[in-house]
Amino acid sequence: NAGVTQTPKFQVLKTGQSMTLQCAQDMNHNSMYWYRQDPGMGLRLIYYSASEGTTDKGEVPNGYNVSRLNKREFSLRLESAAPSQTSVYFCASSASGQRTYEQYFGPGTRLTVT
Amino acid sequence: GDSVTQMEGPVTLSEEAFLTINCTYTATGYPSLFWYVQYPGEGLQLLLKATKADDKGSNKGFEATYRKETTSFHLEKGSVQVSDSAVYFCALSARNNAGNMLTFGGGTRLMVKP
Repeated sequence: NAGVTQTPKFQVLKTGQSMTLQCAQDMNHNSMYWYRQDPGMGLRLIYYSASEGTTDKGEVPNGYNVSRLNKREFSLRLESAAPSQTSVYFCASSASGQRTYEQYFGPGTRLTVT
Repeated sequence: GDSVTQMEGPVTLSEEAFLTINCTYTATGYPSLFWYVQYPGEGLQLLLKATKADDKGSNKGFEATYRKETTSFHLEKGSVQVSDSAVYFCALSARNNAGNMLTFGGGTRLMVKP
């Protein structure tokens, strides 16, 4: 059982370049999330999708777009990368409707923008 | 808004020492509380959780008790091992949270020396 998978694992971009981070889950979860992790700041929510067909902004959405392609897949796009977007990005998923349901995390994508 | 505050690390202990990582929260209503652990190079994994006041979550020798009166959820372990070296995150999920979103603390790095 793969759980939550992310690609790529590492990426280096130049300022202004674009890229899409891919995420897929095989647990039939309704909800999916994108976080960024920066030193000393924990994880901050970028966007989430409570169910297939819906997406909403989180705490730090500026500079990002998302697509919930289907129930399994949730992608994060950087249209014009900036050095401030250098971070580790995590995708997560959970069963929806119950606040006690845990979130399952992918292994992360380490992104460097030069 | 909701927030989680953790003690700053790193916390350095010798093997078999007692561990406490403090966590306090601010939230409206009655949130669910979680501890996640992140091993080097990996995503976050749920360590334990508590869903109501006075509940005790436990797993792998770790424990935390939901204290509503002090708005705390401190993580404890009686005897740490080198394999416990990781970053620990306290998080909450608040009531009326249709997206099951989590608010994370900044993380505490634990280093256990043989």
